[in-house]
Amino acid sequence: GAVVSQHPSWVICKSGTSVKIECRSLDFQATTMFWYRQFPKQSLMLMATSNEGSKATYEQGVEKDKFLINHASLTLSTLTVTSAHPEDSSFYICSASGAGGHQETQYFGPGTRLLVL
Amino acid sequence: AQTVTQSQPEMSVQEAETVTLSCTYDTSENNYYLFWYKQPPSRQMILVIRQEAYKQQNATENRFSVNFQKAAKSFSLKISDSQLGDTAMYFCAFMKMNRDDKIIFGKGTRLHILP
Repeated sequence: GAVVSQHPSWVICKSGTSVKIECRSLDFQATTMFWYRQFPKQSLMLMATSNEGSKATYEQGVEKDKFLINHASLTLSTLTVTSAHPEDSSFYICSASGAGGHQETQYFGPGTRLLVL
Repeated sequence: AQTVTQSQPEMSVQEAETVTLSCTYDTSENNYYLFWYKQPPSRQMILVIRQEAYKQQNATENRFSVNFQKAAKSFSLKISDSQLGDTAMYFCAFMKMNRDDKIIFGKGTRLHILP
């Protein structure tokens, strides 16, 4: 099956620092990757959609300069939380869809827990 | 705009029993996908079952089956012979049949399987 990994699985950082989260499709080419944020006991909230080689499309209310997304290759997308603050603490999940029969389903990474002190 | 509604925030059922999770959605699209995702305590999202709207036959995956009523815009999930490992958050989701389109999730139903 299609596998998506995320790194790191959890991170603790100080307020004001930047944190980068990687999302990789391990056995298929991901033409599109999605970044979600999930608060405890809530549903997934889509933050942005990224297509390989082009700028990400952000959902309404998501700050582009705060959450930088780069989709430089067909297997890697990164989310950088810039100048992180405690309110950015959350669970971040990526998903990927792509070629080779994988375009009809999104496959999810295991998520990254971010805690900003 | 598409919406997905799960009216049961939380459910509990005894092990080995059958449970049905409800989901309704709203869309003006004719062709689309519907999904049920499971999120156990590990928080890994796991695809349980997928239904293509153009297929009249209800999808099944082992103990999991759906009742897809296109006209009523209803998409319920039935879990038969429930097991302790089925304890999780279950999300109903919708996606237009455009390549690489985003998924719209419901708010989820927290399911507890009791021993």
